[in-house]
Amino acid sequence: ETGVTQSPTHLIKTRGQQVTLRCSSQSGHNTVSWYQQALGQGPQFIFQYYREEENGRGNFPPRFSGLQFPNYSSELNVNALELDDSALYLCASSLQGFYEQYFGPGTRLTVT
Amino acid sequence: LAKTTQPISMDSYEGQEVNITCSHNNIATNDYITWYQQFPSQGPRFIIQGYKTKVTNEVASLFIPADRKSSTLSLPRVSLSDTAVYYCLVGETSGTYKYIFGTGTRLKVLA
Repeated sequence: ETGVTQSPTHLIKTRGQQVTLRCSSQSGHNTVSWYQQALGQGPQFIFQYYREEENGRGNFPPRFSGLQFPNYSSELNVNALELDDSALYLCASSLQGFYEQYFGPGTRLTVT
Repeated sequence: LAKTTQPISMDSYEGQEVNITCSHNNIATNDYITWYQQFPSQGPRFIIQGYKTKVTNEVASLFIPADRKSSTLSLPRVSLSDTAVYYCLVGETSGTYKYIFGTGTRLKVLA
């Protein structure tokens, strides 16, 4: 059984650029959630995808968008990067509904 | 959406029982409570989940009073490897999904 994987591990971008982060779900899981975790803070829920549609969203602006593919993998896209977007981005997969979420190791994004 | 509050940090000694409380005064009827453990540079790891009363698994117990406005994670006989940040998560499951993590409690286990 393969766990949740994320790529890349680290990324450095310049303010105003766009970034795409990728996540592969754990085998058998059909739901993916994305979180932003600033240094020293708890994870903040960005959104969740189920069957390729967004079915939940936190308080993040529209420049944070996502996709889920038929194989349940997912992408997080962030446009017009700001310095405050620097954080660890976590992906979590689960079965539909509020079940145990399995987190990946995260992608560390630095915006300069 | 329920906001959660936890103590910032706790210290304990090996072999002791540790209880970490999370306050979620505005929890909704459909919300579940989940606790996660996070080590540095890793994603959170599931510990336990509950809706009401008491839940126990092989690593922890979760106590939820009748009013569900708080929950307590109990770790029996902690070891040095339990040093981590512990988060409670309240999840909204009515239609659209939203999850609120607590501020996290940094547990340090001392020898």
